[in-house]
Amino acid sequence: DIQMTQSPSSLSASVGDRVTITCRASQSIASHLNWYQQKPGKAPRLLIYAASNLQSGVPSRFSGRGSGTEFSLTISSLQPEDVASYYCHQSYNPRATFGQGTKVEMK
Amino acid sequence: EVQLVESGGGLVKPGGSLRLSCAASGFTFSSFTMNWVRQAPGKGLEWVASISSGGSYIFYAESVDGRFTISRDNAKSSLYLQMNSLRVEDTAVYYCVRQEDLVVVVTATGIFDYWGQGTLVTVSS
Repeated sequence: DIQMTQSPSSLSASVGDRVTITCRASQSIASHLNWYQQKPGKAPRLLIYAASNLQSGVPSRFSGRGSGTEFSLTISSLQPEDVASYYCHQSYNPRATFGQGTKVEMK
Repeated sequence: EVQLVESGGGLVKPGGSLRLSCAASGFTFSSFTMNWVRQAPGKGLEWVASISSGGSYIFYAESVDGRFTISRDNAKSSLYLQMNSLRVEDTAVYYCVRQEDLVVVVTATGIFDYWGQGTLVTVSS
């Protein structure tokens, strides 16, 4: 299986801060990397697909980049409604795998 | 509007069985690969199984292979997960997830674009 490693596991930031989460794959997955946001008690929501494509309806302050084994999700200006856990997901292999998650909290 | 509604969760003893169902609506169910993804209490997401649109291609996570069976009934727009030989570590919220297959450059990639609200499975004596 392809292992996905996210960092950090948690972070605390202030409103308006730029926040970056990284995800590393154990082997090259080209651009087959997606990002999800999950708020407490809710199902995950797709934010970014194929490494850098913004899902319809997602605010433009979210962006993704990377290819191969190194990827990142950036929130350009953190808002209170962005408090959530974020997960990367590789869709290169039909046996999908997720990163362990990054919990974003407000300072 | 796409809707995925899971049912069938509950409390079961270790070694027992349970069958989850997912009723889909708002899209052409027979055209999409479907997945089950689970989340143990306070933990991250774990992909469990997938089944192609026609049911020909099925994949399982190593942790459930040989114990769980994914299936679908396209006439009823329904997805199922038969879970046997359940273990305490199978305790989780189970999500039914639609997969959209997109072409990225020259290859297809499957994104999880719609999720159900989840059903809780608790395995405990």
